[in-house]
Amino acid sequence: EAGVTQFPSHSVIEKGQTVTLRCDPISGHDNLYWYRRVMGKEIKFLLHFVKESKQDESGMPNNRFLAERTGGTYSTLKVQPAELEDSGVYFCASSRYETSGGTGTQYFGPGTRLTVL
Amino acid sequence: AQSVTQPDIHITVSEGASLELRCNYSYGATPYLFWYVQSPGQGLQLLLKYFSGDTLVQGIKGFEAEFKRSQSSFNLRKPSVHWSDAAEYFCAVHNTNAGKSTFGDGTTLTVKP
Repeated sequence: EAGVTQFPSHSVIEKGQTVTLRCDPISGHDNLYWYRRVMGKEIKFLLHFVKESKQDESGMPNNRFLAERTGGTYSTLKVQPAELEDSGVYFCASSRYETSGGTGTQYFGPGTRLTVL
Repeated sequence: AQSVTQPDIHITVSEGASLELRCNYSYGATPYLFWYVQSPGQGLQLLLKYFSGDTLVQGIKGFEAEFKRSQSSFNLRKPSVHWSDAAEYFCAVHNTNAGKSTFGDGTTLTVKP
């Protein structure tokens, strides 16, 4: 079974440019999460999809960030326009759908390291 | 609100020595707790998890963690550290209602020969 994959592994862009990150979850996982780690600090939640629906996007920093999950398979996270403070590592995770009280075991991808110059 | 504290930013141990990484959490209900490891250039790998039952949980790579409700702690241990254990370790608590995890800042482990 393939794990969570993310593309690209690294991205270096200039301030004001646009970048799109992609995440392919484990097949059959309805839950998909985006997290971000900035400047060596804690890994922070960005948003959560259940299939194609946004369940929780309370962690999205501002409206320069747009996440989509068309068809409930892979997801993209677009940053437009990118700012210096957006630099960091963006992780994607997926998990099986579970009813209330589920254990929430998430499987993480390798991350995309974004550098904004 | 839930939170996780990893008091030690950086720990150095000698190869073969024992290891304990501390984790304290704040959560209103029964916590679902996780430890992850991130080696350089790799993603987050799940080491172990606690949901219920036996408070001492065993994980991969010889790691174990003990859940202590009275201390709100979930410390990670390994009796004998190997050079390949050098990595960054993250403790996390999962909110099953909200469907998201909260992580600590991470502890970087250096292993001396």
